[in-house]
Amino acid sequence: QVQLQESGPGLVKPSETLSLTCAVSGYSISSGYYWGWIRQPPGKGLEWIGSIYHSGSTYYNPSLKSRVTISVDTSKNQFSLKLSSVTAADTAVYYCARHGDWGLLNYFDYWGQGTLVTVSS
Amino acid sequence: SSELTQDPAVSVALGQTVRITCQGDSLRSYYASWYQQKPGQAPVLVIYGKNNRPSGIPDRFSGSSSGNTASLTITGAQAEDEADYYCNSRDSSGNHRMNYVFGTGTKVTVL
Repeated sequence: QVQLQESGPGLVKPSETLSLTCAVSGYSISSGYYWGWIRQPPGKGLEWIGSIYHSGSTYYNPSLKSRVTISVDTSKNQFSLKLSSVTAADTAVYYCARHGDWGLLNYFDYWGQGTLVTVSS
Repeated sequence: SSELTQDPAVSVALGQTVRITCQGDSLRSYYASWYQQKPGQAPVLVIYGKNNRPSGIPDRFSGSSSGNTASLTITGAQAEDEADYYCNSRDSSGNHRMNYVFGTGTKVTVL
């Protein structure tokens, strides 16, 4: 069974960088699929942040692209998110997820439990 | 980027059928996937592609699509189906290599 687990600080100061890691078990990142980050502000909807392929190719939401970096460590079977210059608007539950993309067909099939990150001084 | 629009809320009587719709230009080019999210929990994939259910998803969940609209139907709704539902697809606008958009979400209440 594929499992994902987010970890990282729950509180980040404004203007600083948010850093999260997603540990994957039950599946080797090197075997394929894309690995993504999605966030959800309190009481609001879902927003895709970006994804990375096991080869290291990255894809980012255009609205966040200037502040986002996603990297992968296949030796540890984990991938990470960095979001710079955060503001209160970046306060959200952050999810990591596995996703497939085959042209017309795409979906996020396994999700982590999510971690709440609050931006506050 | 393109948008996916859903009705904010729908209600259904226990055992009856409810259809949740998702509208957006990207759905003319890409299949939608659907996610169920209960309070305090991560989203769960319930439908993907033309009409595929992951293992463990009851067959009362089904999907369909026509033009710029995708639909999720729950036939014989159960109390445990009360949740928020989100659609998702790849964004067909612009020249982005890869971009995904989620729908605005529909809260389903089972009466």
